[in-house]
Amino acid sequence: AQSVTQLGSHVSVSEGALVLLRCNYSSSVPPYLFWYVQYPNQGLQLLLKYTSAATLVKGINGFEAEFKKSETSFHLTKPSAHMSDAAEYFCAVSTDAGGTSYGKLTFGQGTILTVHP
Amino acid sequence: GAGVSQSPSNKVTEKGKDVELRCDPISGHTALYWYRQSLGQGLEFLIYFQGNSAPDKSGLPSDRFSAERTGGSVSTLTIQRTQQEDSAVYLCASRRTGGATNYGYTFGSGTRLTVV
Repeated sequence: AQSVTQLGSHVSVSEGALVLLRCNYSSSVPPYLFWYVQYPNQGLQLLLKYTSAATLVKGINGFEAEFKKSETSFHLTKPSAHMSDAAEYFCAVSTDAGGTSYGKLTFGQGTILTVHP
Repeated sequence: GAGVSQSPSNKVTEKGKDVELRCDPISGHTALYWYRQSLGQGLEFLIYFQGNSAPDKSGLPSDRFSAERTGGSVSTLTIQRTQQEDSAVYLCASRRTGGATNYGYTFGSGTRLTVV
């Protein structure tokens, strides 16, 4: 079984400030981890993914995330927020464990990021 | 096509009516997933198709929900006797397989279903 917890349903930052969105996962097997962004009335867009290679993963739009096995975390960061970053962000986990759950994504509840001037 | 296509983009239906939602995945993607996104429930897994294997239906909320995938390509999600609690955005995703799950999932823009 696998699960994802995103700490904070709403995060508000000033433009130019650090963005930190928290994600903790639970998985009985080595996980694959993803961050998605969703803009209003749009589908999900992949920001970045961890696939057991480098633990620090760089994604699009200046975002990055670090996989920390000891902390079961995969927090998303961006050094300087832009107004265009305002959206909802989802952390997700999947496994390569085989069986009927093979490749199924389990999502966190989402974090709405607000960027104010 | 270049992306996952879902239709219709918006659907308003009367309570008790049946609806069909369509997903056209990326060509060559053997895995197809349906998710439901509703207020307060986040993104819920509904059903998963992988090639010719039996689908994983473990997320379907009731027997009013069913889905099929014809020819390993287009999928249709059917909701019978719709209820107001079925109002949500239904998202489809597809993925290329044949190796580890690190191949990217591509999501469609969703169908916004409103039951009145």
